This record gives sequence, structure tokens and C-alpha cells, in this order.
Amino acid sequence: GAGVSQSPSNKVTEKGKDVELRCDPISGHTALYWYRQSLGQGLEFLIYFQGNSAPDKSGLPSDRFSAERTGGSVSTLTIQRTQQEDSAVYLCASSPLLAGQGVYGYTFGSGTRLTVV
Amino acid sequence: TQLLEQSPQFLSIQEGENLTVYCNSSSVFSSLQWYRQEPGEGPVLLVTVVTGGEVKKLKRLTFQFGDARKDSSLHITAAQPGDTGLYLCAGRPRTGRRALTFGSGTRLQVQP
Repeated sequence: GAGVSQSPSNKVTEKGKDVELRCDPISGHTALYWYRQSLGQGLEFLIYFQGNSAPDKSGLPSDRFSAERTGGSVSTLTIQRTQQEDSAVYLCASSPLLAGQGVYGYTFGSGTRLTVV
Repeated sequence: TQLLEQSPQFLSIQEGENLTVYCNSSSVFSSLQWYRQEPGEGPVLLVTVVTGGEVKKLKRLTFQFGDARKDSSLHITAAQPGDTGLYLCAGRPRTGRRALTFGSGTRLQVQP
């Protein structure tokens, strides 16, 4: 597609429920990233996929968080047993190369605003 | 963890004024990028700087990478209401995690 697509754009869930957030990156982009942003603050790294390499999961805040990327394209971020502190905007980005090399940067989706009540 | 601190956190100015936003770290980065984010949208890349001391200009925006590649600045000349948004710096670590580390952001509001 023309850009990074995320769905849903908004999600309200009850505490304790599981949620799945979807990211459809730009076709051909080998790198995919998930970040979390609270209250218009900076971005907190969650997980990074690069091609067929093992993902870098070092930013996941707890074992309730997991993510997968199927066929090197679409990615799903799953949060189990959601807590109120999980409320945030979850942003997905993709890039053709490792971001920061040359002029390649991240292309972000518009995010999923998650509210846990 | 390599941290990027931005200052100021919030800036409200009148149209036509100049401003500078700073991005500082105790760590060295192999490159640094600046993004602007508007409400309800994801951040959009403005510029990438790679070489220590590098200066890049994008119309009224001037970006500089520190000589030691630990800091950067964004200067806006004659700010306009369209410059309003959240400005984020992001560094690519030289070692370790291969994803960008983002700063805490500077929220700029330009009043007409």
C-alpha cells in the first residue's frame, strides 16, 4: 500500500481482556517496528522485526505483550490481560533499511489509541 | 539504555519569532533524525544527519549534529502556525539495539 496502515484506529477494552493490534507495512519494507506513546510524549520502543532474523523483543514491558510478523509483512501486537497502564497510542513503523542509514527513516502509521477501562 | 533528552518540553511563541530545540545525550549515535508529529497522526521524518558537525537546512528549519555526535539542535526561523506540532529527535545507537531511540519530545505552539 501507499503507507503504513494500522487497525483499529481506536480500541476501548475492559481491564483483563486481550487485545490485538494490526499493522500493515509498506510493501517491500523489510524492517517493522512497534512503539508506544503515552499522553503525547516520546516514543517507547517495544519490538523490532528485520527480515527473517529473530525479532528484538527487548522493549516489551512484560510477558503479557507479544508480537508476530507473518510472511515478512503484516504484524500483530497482542496484549493479554490488559491493565489500565497499557492505555496509550501504539505506533507501528516500517523502513526499507535499518533506519538512520542514508536517508531512510521510519514511515509511521497513524497509530491505535488503546484505552483500558 | 541510551537516552535522548529534549529541551524545552513545551514552547509557545508568536508567529515570526525564532526558536531552538535541543536534543542531548551522553551516548554517541551513528546518526540522528528529527520528526514532527501532529495530533492523531504518526511522526513524519524531517531530516537525517550522519556526520559530526553536519548542518542541514530545510526551508526555515536548520538542523545541526554535534561534533561528538551526542547532541543535535533544531532552529526554526520566523516560525509560522503551520510549524505547530510535537518535534521528536531519534538516534540510531552505534551498538546494541538496532531500532531508533526517541527523545521525549518538544511541543511547539505558534500563535498567529
